[in-house]
Amino acid sequence: GQQVMQIPQYQHVQEGEDFTTYCNSSTTLSNIQWYKQRPGGHPVFLIQLVKSGEVKKQKRLTFQFGEAKKNSSLHITATQTTDVGTYFCAGPGGSYGQNFVFGPGTRLSVLP
Amino acid sequence: DAGVIQSPRHEVTEMGQEVTLRCKPISGHDYLFWYRQTMMRGLELLIYFNNNVPIDDSGMPEDRFSAKMPNASFSTLKIQPSEPRDSAVYFCASSLALSRLGGPNEKLFFGSGTQLSVL
Repeated sequence: GQQVMQIPQYQHVQEGEDFTTYCNSSTTLSNIQWYKQRPGGHPVFLIQLVKSGEVKKQKRLTFQFGEAKKNSSLHITATQTTDVGTYFCAGPGGSYGQNFVFGPGTRLSVLP
Repeated sequence: DAGVIQSPRHEVTEMGQEVTLRCKPISGHDYLFWYRQTMMRGLELLIYFNNNVPIDDSGMPEDRFSAKMPNASFSTLKIQPSEPRDSAVYFCASSLALSRLGGPNEKLFFGSGTQLSVL
């Protein structure tokens, strides 16, 4: 079945440093979504990418979808303590792409 | 909208006991998903429903797990008998109608989860 991998598993950065997490799929994805889960919280939708090579920005967050639609990245510029949490990518799965296969996540720690 | 509502928030039980987790999806959402989250296995899809009908339960670990959705506003996940290895956070999520493969999928709205501890 489809597998979604993420690296790194953990990342510790000093506040103000940049951060990037990478997501790779074993199959071509029709779209990819990113979620953020704060410690003790639940996953919250951040963004969806659909087009090959698509780039979207949300303030300090930049999301990219690879040309082959098998990988994606999330880059945070000048991290803040509010960025702490686990970032998940998720792609369609199942016979009809009707469920979501989540990557293992990248846990970000930001040291003040 | 109140979002996806799950209860209880925390459940501590003894091995062998029956556990029932509850979920109220967002009104108007056609899909309901049950996920389990552990450090070792991450977010695992257990089962999902479309218009109250179970579509894919291949993620349900064993016969000890069962899920129902008697109507559009309520779903339960039951574990009987519970075992210590069932300890995890169980999330319910809902979404609007999803498109067929090749099209965009609607985003998931997660509930706050149920932290289950089986002693």
